[in-house]
Amino acid sequence: DGGITQSPKYLFRKEGQNVTLSCEQNLNHDAMYWYRQDPGQGLRLIYYSQIVNDFQKGDIAEGYSVSREKKESFPLTVTSAQKNPTAFYLCASRPTGTGSSYEQYFGPGTRLTVT
Amino acid sequence: GQQLNQSPQSMFIQEGEDVSMNCTSSSIFNTWLWYKQDPGEGPVLLIALYKAGELTSNGRLTAQFGITRKDSFLNISASIPSDVGIYFCAGSGGFQGAQKLVFGQGTRLTINP
Repeated sequence: DGGITQSPKYLFRKEGQNVTLSCEQNLNHDAMYWYRQDPGQGLRLIYYSQIVNDFQKGDIAEGYSVSREKKESFPLTVTSAQKNPTAFYLCASRPTGTGSSYEQYFGPGTRLTVT
Repeated sequence: GQQLNQSPQSMFIQEGEDVSMNCTSSSIFNTWLWYKQDPGEGPVLLIALYKAGELTSNGRLTAQFGITRKDSFLNISASIPSDVGIYFCAGSGGFQGAQKLVFGQGTRLTINP
């Protein structure tokens, strides 16, 4: 089955610890994205990557880092510098290239709670 | 970053009623997308619109790409309990190109049986 997987579904960490959220896709999509969603809010873009070994900051990149070593994988690290890390994190992917669409497809999300 | 103006923010309706929500922007877009998000899950794409004036249906859902390219609306006919959730509009392909989507704040739909 093709799709986007995020693990784990729920993640708990102590304040001051870095934590890495996993995102894997087998859709053969080039572009991948990380969003943050807070209660009652829309989606805000953290980082995105159009191609392997390249990524760009989104609107709220401070306190986060990413890597894109493989086409299928785009892990997000929430560092201790992120002031308010508790949120719902969503990963998405999009096909690129000739005839590709603007449509992004989302994973099931990871809910991170930092205490 | 830019966000779209989506309204209403929430709706409380009776089962069987029709629903209408819309999104507006100060910028033009080449694409409008509508997503639905169930609690604790990722958004699922409902309808994609690529042409100004386009009217597209997906079952009981109908969406239109505004002629000015600055707005879009989504209608749901004869609502059923599984329509409950948060609906998001998203625009792309304008000044920022195809790489990124701009999202509305969402419309939370609640249905009384």
